[in-house]
Amino acid sequence: GESVGLHLPTLSVQEGDNSIINCAYSNSASDYFIWYKQESGKGPQFIIDIRSNMDKRQGQRVTVLLNKTVKHLSLQIAATQPGDSAVYFCAERGTGFQKLVFGTGTRLLVSP
Amino acid sequence: SQTIHQWPATLVQPVGSPLSLECTVEGTSNPNLYWYRQAAGRGLQLLFYSVGIGQISSEVPQNLSASRPQDRQFILSSKKLLLSDSGFYLCAWSDRVSEQYFGPGTRLTVT
Repeated sequence: GESVGLHLPTLSVQEGDNSIINCAYSNSASDYFIWYKQESGKGPQFIIDIRSNMDKRQGQRVTVLLNKTVKHLSLQIAATQPGDSAVYFCAERGTGFQKLVFGTGTRLLVSP
Repeated sequence: SQTIHQWPATLVQPVGSPLSLECTVEGTSNPNLYWYRQAAGRGLQLLFYSVGIGQISSEVPQNLSASRPQDRQFILSSKKLLLSDSGFYLCAWSDRVSEQYFGPGTRLTVT
């Protein structure tokens, strides 16, 4: 759903741990989902995407899981590094629409 | 390859002054264009989007307006800024089927 007006939850992990960031989306008709990473003072950067006809997609050190039954999306980061510290946003796009709806965002803090 | 530019990078403006932020995209044609605002420590709020020249859709009622005078140019404006207009303004582009690509952003402080 819309993220306006909500403070960011924070996930703190140790370097080398695996991180899991969760997102609940709102529209059961959404057909496309994206994870973005935003470092302080910069624009969001694309990490990985997944279409609704898939349950899982893997990239380099990242995996996105989609559970359409409960409208849940997760981002798994393997062997988390200090450079992974950022705010992570999920986004959904409804069928036939060209807009993305962004989730609340989660701040990931990685300690050395 | 495609690139997206925003300027200025930072801006400090007094209340009641006008605003013009510019966004341009290179390396693509007929993109969808978007303006977002992000308050400190918060998520992204979609302000406007455009699917073509002169076509602007507004998401929320506010003190801002947008224009698209050219295919790859998107401008965010205000006639009189309010304190609540402070924030980080992000422009983004997409084609019809893929993710949105964001610009570097403009940090606006209204004093």
